[in-house]
Amino acid sequence: DIQLTQSPSFLSASVGDRVTITCRASQAISSYLAWYQQKPGKAPNLLIYAASTLQSGVPSRFSGSGSGTEFTLTISSLQPEDFATYYCQQRGTFGQGTKVEI
Amino acid sequence: EVQLVEFGGVVVQPGGSLRLSCAASGFTFDDHAMHWVRQAPGRGLEWVALINWNGVTTDYADSVKGRFTISRDNSKNSLYLQMTSLRTEDTALYYCAKGSSVGIYYFDYWGPGTLVTVSS
Repeated sequence: DIQLTQSPSFLSASVGDRVTITCRASQAISSYLAWYQQKPGKAPNLLIYAASTLQSGVPSRFSGSGSGTEFTLTISSLQPEDFATYYCQQRGTFGQGTKVEI
Repeated sequence: EVQLVEFGGVVVQPGGSLRLSCAASGFTFDDHAMHWVRQAPGRGLEWVALINWNGVTTDYADSVKGRFTISRDNSKNSLYLQMTSLRTEDTALYYCAKGSSVGIYYFDYWGPGTLVTVSS
């Protein structure tokens, strides 16, 4: 089974910072990877699919890149509403999550 | 507007059974694969099960295989999860999620979830 490992698990940042989260797969998964944002008490929200395609309605400060075994989610300028937990996902496997805190 | 609403979460004893439902609206239900995803309290997301658009193909996480059954009724725009032999580790918020048109494992809409607690 494929394992997804996110780093870091916790990230402290400030409004306006550029933030990068990494997701590493235990084996090559082509570009079939998604990123989700989850705020406390809410369902997750799809941000990126196919590693780099922005889901409709998601702000352009979010971007994704990578292929094979290493992927990144980048927030170009962190906004107050971006403080949340982020998950990568490949088919039936999720990463453990990265909590972005102030 | 796409809406997914889950029902059926309760407190149940270990070894018990439970059926969750998800009512879908705002999209052509029988055009899309559907999923159940769960989240234990304070923990991350865990995919549980998939059913394709016509119900012919299903898939399960190893942790629930043989105990949970996913099904759908396209005439009622409804998704179900029959859960048997429940364990304390099945305690979680259960979400139903819609598979995207661009990839069935991209979950583009989620319900608010229904809480299942397995406890004696």
